[in-house]
Amino acid sequence: ETGVTQSPTHLIKTRGQQVTLRCSSQSGHNTVSWYQQALGQGPQFIFQYYREEENGRGNFPPRFSGLQFPNYSSELNVNALELDDSALYLCASSLAGGQGNTIYFGEGSWLTVV
Amino acid sequence: ELKVEQNPLFLSMQEGKNYTIYCNYSTTSDRLYWYRQDPGKSLESLFVLLSNGAVKQEGRLMASLDTKARLSTLHITAAVHDLSATYFCTPGGGYGNKLVFGAGTILRVKS
Repeated sequence: ETGVTQSPTHLIKTRGQQVTLRCSSQSGHNTVSWYQQALGQGPQFIFQYYREEENGRGNFPPRFSGLQFPNYSSELNVNALELDDSALYLCASSLAGGQGNTIYFGEGSWLTVV
Repeated sequence: ELKVEQNPLFLSMQEGKNYTIYCNYSTTSDRLYWYRQDPGKSLESLFVLLSNGAVKQEGRLMASLDTKARLSTLHITAAVHDLSATYFCTPGGGYGNKLVFGAGTILRVKS
């Protein structure tokens, strides 16, 4: 139990639709990062949020966007879904600047795009 | 750009045997994380190595870090079936502590 919760756990969307995934960080953790993990691959960094501002972004198009709220929870939004967006989306919770030693991952949201 | 390479990518071993997984990374990092992932599940934190020469052990797993060589190892002692999983190493550190993952090592322990 990492204290990081994600919802929904599984969902199926149609190509072209939009999806919102949610993450509640571990208590006291002010930084949330999102990762995409395609089947058989390692997780890929999408972006990170710190104090409600985007703090770094990986190689993902603008249709991937996010938010962080004052309570440090976060959302990942993906517009105009493509088949290749099918993946496990992971939320990671940590303290800024690596002050905390461990980065905790939530259970993930499985997205299938058909 | 930081790159992470693990060797081997796939490891099939007998119960009771020892083996080492190697993790090389391309740029300086002040810490190294090891995670375990079971099929269909999320990442479970195993070790956080914070300094050169750091060694940590938990059960049959022992991890070490050589920051000068940009190398970490995960040693498995007397493997048991329950250790079957995919193992990822990932350097972190710096502001934001964003993680870069390689392909991981798939470990299968045969009884």
